[in-house]
Amino acid sequence: AQRVTQPEKLLSVFKGAPVELKCNYSYSGSPELFWYVQYSRQRLQLLLRHISRESIKGFTADLNKGETSFHLKKPFAQEEDSAMYYCALILWNQGGKLIFGQGTELSVKP
Amino acid sequence: GAVVSQHPSWVICKSGTSVKIECRSLDFQATTMFWYRQFPKQSLMLMATSNEGSKATYEQGVEKDKFLINHASLTLSTLTVTSAHPEDSSFYICSASPLAGDDGELFFGEGSRLTVL
Repeated sequence: AQRVTQPEKLLSVFKGAPVELKCNYSYSGSPELFWYVQYSRQRLQLLLRHISRESIKGFTADLNKGETSFHLKKPFAQEEDSAMYYCALILWNQGGKLIFGQGTELSVKP
Repeated sequence: GAVVSQHPSWVICKSGTSVKIECRSLDFQATTMFWYRQFPKQSLMLMATSNEGSKATYEQGVEKDKFLINHASLTLSTLTVTSAHPEDSSFYICSASPLAGDDGELFFGEGSRLTVL
């Protein structure tokens, strides 16, 4: 069955420290993964997608098919990075719906 | 980017009444919209896929008679919570993708918070 798992509910780091938000997936097909972010009192928005291999706001994520992972990384966290982060998998064989991981709350302390 | 708008943002209703939430794509057309439910600091749970001109597809465990979905046009989908009860209190979020967009990115509405007294 397809599934997205984010094992950490809360991740707390100090400003300037490296950050890694973990995401693992289970999917029989070729996976297409995204990271969405939700800042306080704002709507969910796309942060990055693995197919574009881009870096947004200093964040990167590499798809590792061997480990079925898509961890989100940033070398130096900033206070404005504090938010809820959701890893998501698109199911093209089910009309393109997204399924989400449980979410990780990132708290960056000054 | 594309804009998805929900209305109302907040709604409080009495137990037993029905509540309608609208989801509009403001600057694009969408044959498919998705409805999610989100609990505080928890994941988004997909409730159903709304298809323009046809019946919605519900996820397992979601009561279709409880959560009525209508997708009458390419820019509007509605979710009606019928005979609402306190356990239906939640944050409901819709999302959509432009017709021409095949990269999978979904645009999300701001959400509608339902409180059932």
